[in-house]
Amino acid sequence: QKEVEQNSGPLSVPEGAIASLNCTYSDRVSQSFFWYRQYSGKSPELIMSIYSNGDKEDGRFTAQLNKASQYVSLLIRDSQPSDSATYLCAVTLSNTGNQFYFGTGTSLTVIP
Amino acid sequence: DTGVSQDPRHKITKRGQNVTFRCDPISEHNRLYWYRQTLGQGPEFLTYFQNEAQLEKSRLLSDRFSAERPKGSFSTLEIQRTEQGDSAMYLCASSLVEWGTDTQYFGPGTRLTVL
Repeated sequence: QKEVEQNSGPLSVPEGAIASLNCTYSDRVSQSFFWYRQYSGKSPELIMSIYSNGDKEDGRFTAQLNKASQYVSLLIRDSQPSDSATYLCAVTLSNTGNQFYFGTGTSLTVIP
Repeated sequence: DTGVSQDPRHKITKRGQNVTFRCDPISEHNRLYWYRQTLGQGPEFLTYFQNEAQLEKSRLLSDRFSAERPKGSFSTLEIQRTEQGDSAMYLCASSLVEWGTDTQYFGPGTRLTVL
């Protein structure tokens, strides 16, 4: 079983809509959770981190963490064509130091 | 530019050759990570350093791979006797561990092509 799983998509939403990206993880005592955005041919760039249950908002982005259900999600409000990218979920697992485990990413396309 | 930098950005080599990549982290960051990413996959952890100490290596890491961070600043990743399966993007990330958090910032990557 993969440590971190994401729906690879592609996910398409119209401009101005809400995009919802989901991620599940296998280790119940995982500590830290991150969302990265990666444009084609580029390196990942950090969008948000979240450490405790609940919602965390930063501009148009909201991360949601539910440790009991072992999932973390990212909502993008008022989606823009520039949001079109692959979104990577990363998790640090409790027994493996501080290495990040990444999902395979979800490809998002925002249609103008 | 105060971000993570990597050199070279692209490397084409023939199978069997050795290659070395360099990473310069954000200056105050004490941790440095190496990842490998292939098309359609997320980054895969290779190894990381805290200051100059190499604290963890992936069990998937072949003994043809070696990494150093001699003075706790820049790091090098060497691949000996390259194979076509080594073709990938090699990513470096750095972080400053504080208050129990470890947020990693990535460099632009080195794309390796083994012919």
